[in-house]
Amino acid sequence: DSGVTQTPKHLITATGQRVTLRCSPRSGDLSVYWYQQSLDQGLQFLIQYYNGEERAKGNILERFSAQQFPDLHSELNLSSLELGDSALYFCASSPRWDSSTDTQYFGPGTRLTVL
Amino acid sequence: GDSVTQMEGPVTLSEEAFLTINCTYTATGYPSLFWYVQYPGEGLQLLLKATKADDKGSNKGFEATYRKETTSFHLEKGSVQVSDSAVYFCALRVVGSQGNLIFGKGTKLSVKP
Repeated sequence: DSGVTQTPKHLITATGQRVTLRCSPRSGDLSVYWYQQSLDQGLQFLIQYYNGEERAKGNILERFSAQQFPDLHSELNLSSLELGDSALYFCASSPRWDSSTDTQYFGPGTRLTVL
Repeated sequence: GDSVTQMEGPVTLSEEAFLTINCTYTATGYPSLFWYVQYPGEGLQLLLKATKADDKGSNKGFEATYRKETTSFHLEKGSVQVSDSAVYFCALRVVGSQGNLIFGKGTKLSVKP
């Protein structure tokens, strides 16, 4: 158990819909990262938040957005969903925002299926 | 840009065989290197890491040495078990490169009894 929790575990929805994925970081970690894992693209970084502020953006679509709340949990919002958005979405956390040596601890993921 | 290349899978071995999964990297800065493992139906777990050249990371019988001269971080285990069947990801992180992990495509390992 990494200490990172994600809900829901599975999500099935239709094209055009909007969903919210939730992540709670490990106790004491201020930095939260979102990654997408798909068969064709592999594991790709989406976005990072540190103590409530956006710190880095990766290959995140404009239809996707995220935020980190004062209690440090984070939500990833996916809208106007397309079939290609079906993937496993991981959240990870670490203590600091820009330390290359910190380990990122991953949650169990949310599997999104868009029908 | 920064990138990680790891050997294509799948890799199928018999129990107690020797395992090597090759990983090489390209980095504009000075990276830390990681191996993560993903067991079926689960999230990623850190297996081991190395943060500077010549460091050796080790855990659960797995080892990898950070080789700056060959830009490599190959994963090895002397005797694999059926329970080692999983997907293994090599990854790097460079300070200033947005702080995120950059992953290889993963290598699926199957160990047969």
